[in-house]
Parts: sequence; C-alpha cells; structure tokens
Amino acid sequence: GENVEQHPSTLSVQEGDSAVIKCTYSDSASNYFPWYKQELGKRPQLIIDIRSNVGEKKDQRIAVTLNKTAKHFSLHITETQPEDSAVYFCAASKGGGSQGNLIFGKGTKLSVKP
Amino acid sequence: EAGVTQFPSHSVIEKGQTVTLRCDPISGHDNLYWYRRVMGKEIKFLLHFVKESKQDESGMPNNRFLAERTGGTYSTLKVQPAELEDSGVYFCASSQDFGGTIYFGEGSWLTVV
Repeated sequence: GENVEQHPSTLSVQEGDSAVIKCTYSDSASNYFPWYKQELGKRPQLIIDIRSNVGEKKDQRIAVTLNKTAKHFSLHITETQPEDSAVYFCAASKGGGSQGNLIFGKGTKLSVKP
Repeated sequence: EAGVTQFPSHSVIEKGQTVTLRCDPISGHDNLYWYRRVMGKEIKFLLHFVKESKQDESGMPNNRFLAERTGGTYSTLKVQPAELEDSGVYFCASSQDFGGTIYFGEGSWLTVV
C-alpha cells in the first residue's frame, strides 16, 4: 500500500523567513496530494492541493511543487507569520474508486518566532 | 454552509466501557470517512462510506470498532469494549465526489482510562 514520509518533524523559523516541508510517497498510482494545516485543538484545514497533471501550484504565500518522477512533493511558505504556526500534514491518495482515502504523513510542527 | 460536525467533542470513559461517536457530514456529501490520530502520530484512515455502503474498511483496527451509516446521512463509530490504546482523536471527513476535496470535522477526543 501507499506510504507517505514527511520531513522535518519539527521546523522553527524566524518571522519573514521561508519554510519548506517535504514529503515522499511510494505508490506511483497516487494522483492527488493535499496539504492540511492543523492548529492546536482544531480541525485539519485544507490549505492547498495539487494533482498529478500539474507540477506547481501557488496561492499567495503558499506553494506546492510535485515531482512525479521522484515521487516527492513539497510545501513552501514564504514570508512566514506567527499565525502560520501549526502542524502541517501532507497526504496522498489515488483520488477515486476504492482508494479515495488519504494516506497522511506524520506531520510537521512549524513554529514561527516573532 | 455547515461543515462536518462531530459529537461529542470530548469523551472520557473507563476501559471496558462503550463509546459511540457521531458524525454529520456536509449536506450532499455521499463520501464519508473516519480517521484517527493516536498519541501524536499520523492521521490514519479507518474506513470510507459511499452513501450507506462501506466502500473500504481496511483501516479498522479490530472488531471492537463498528461503524454504521444507516440511510446514508450521519454516521456513528462505536468502540466496544474500549481499551487504553483507543485513546486519541477521531476525525470524520466528507467529500462530494470520489477524488474531491475532503473536509474534516473538529474531531472527537477520546480518552480511555
């Protein structure tokens, strides 16, 4: 089955710096890669996603890149702010049929210091 | 539009007792998923309903867990009898289509003592 590895497990940056979180996946049939942000005690919130027919997607300060050949995808946050502090989860799925469920990475705790 | 709602938000029960968690998906979402996060580990898939049918229950840990979705609307997840290792956060999520965006609920925090 699919296996998703996420690194680093913790990341501390200064406000204004960039943060990068990387994930690798094992199943080449996976075609949908969302990123979720979970603040303490709250629900995982989808912040950006990418499908396998796209190499990069950007939404304001957040971008995701996908390398299908290497089977890895990354989250980039620029100009980080204290409110970006949270746990970020990457996930992968085959996006349909009986395999529509998400396989998550272990999460990255991002701390943005003012 | 209301999001995915879960009840109860927190539950503390003794080992051996029974707990039933409820999930109301976003209206119109045929796909309903249960996930859980145990002891700060990754969020793990439990099962997937399409309407009232179990599409995939490969993540259910054992037969102490029973999920139902009668009528294809809300779902319940029963743990009976609860064990200490069942403690964690149980998330429900829903999506309109296969491969569509999956929206999560706030989670039900279960503590078994």
